[in-house]
Amino acid sequence: DVKVTQSSRYLVKRTGEKVFLECVQDMDHENMFWYRQDPGLGLRLIYFSYDVKMKEKGDIPEGYSVSREKKERFSLILESASTNQTSMYLCASIDARSTDTQYFGPGTRLTVL
Amino acid sequence: GENVEQHPSTLSVQEGDSAVIKCTYSDSASNYFPWYKQELGKRPQLIIDIRSNVGEKKDQRIAVTLNKTAKHFSLHITETQPEDSAVYFCAASPFSGGYQKVTFGTGTKLQVIP
Repeated sequence: DVKVTQSSRYLVKRTGEKVFLECVQDMDHENMFWYRQDPGLGLRLIYFSYDVKMKEKGDIPEGYSVSREKKERFSLILESASTNQTSMYLCASIDARSTDTQYFGPGTRLTVL
Repeated sequence: GENVEQHPSTLSVQEGDSAVIKCTYSDSASNYFPWYKQELGKRPQLIIDIRSNVGEKKDQRIAVTLNKTAKHFSLHITETQPEDSAVYFCAASPFSGGYQKVTFGTGTKLQVIP
């Protein structure tokens, strides 16, 4: 059973703080993704990675960066959090060798005050 | 890049009736079209998917149709039940080896009224 975990379910930060969101998958998946989910806007892709140290911008990368030093771990970084980054953040992974199914983590509800 | 539009944004049906959700996509290179269901407070989970070489796929009460020429695909749920109430997302992806970018629609909130 594929397991995708995220470091926090709920997080409250202040404007200007540096924020790290971590995602870990235990199934040796190559592709990993970070989305943010907002009401009425669906899931919007922030960044994705198809290999260690490889990253590609998604549709809304501004204000975010990512790190993938190990295959199982994909981190989303908010260099200087702003109130408009208050959102639900979802991580996902795909085993590109055998399936196209995305497996999602439980999500992190981030509030920036 | 790919753009996926999804309609309607909300849908209310009586239990036992059918529900249809429609999506259109813009990138002709897209060849994989999954549908995800997200129950309140839970993570999205895949319920059905279809590839571009297939026009229709069915799994019990759920079916998906794809029209590549028109660039649209639809989710059909028959004999709806209260547990079908959730937000449904369509998506499109141009699978290319291990390099995938999945683009989601904006979601449809389905309410099944008992």
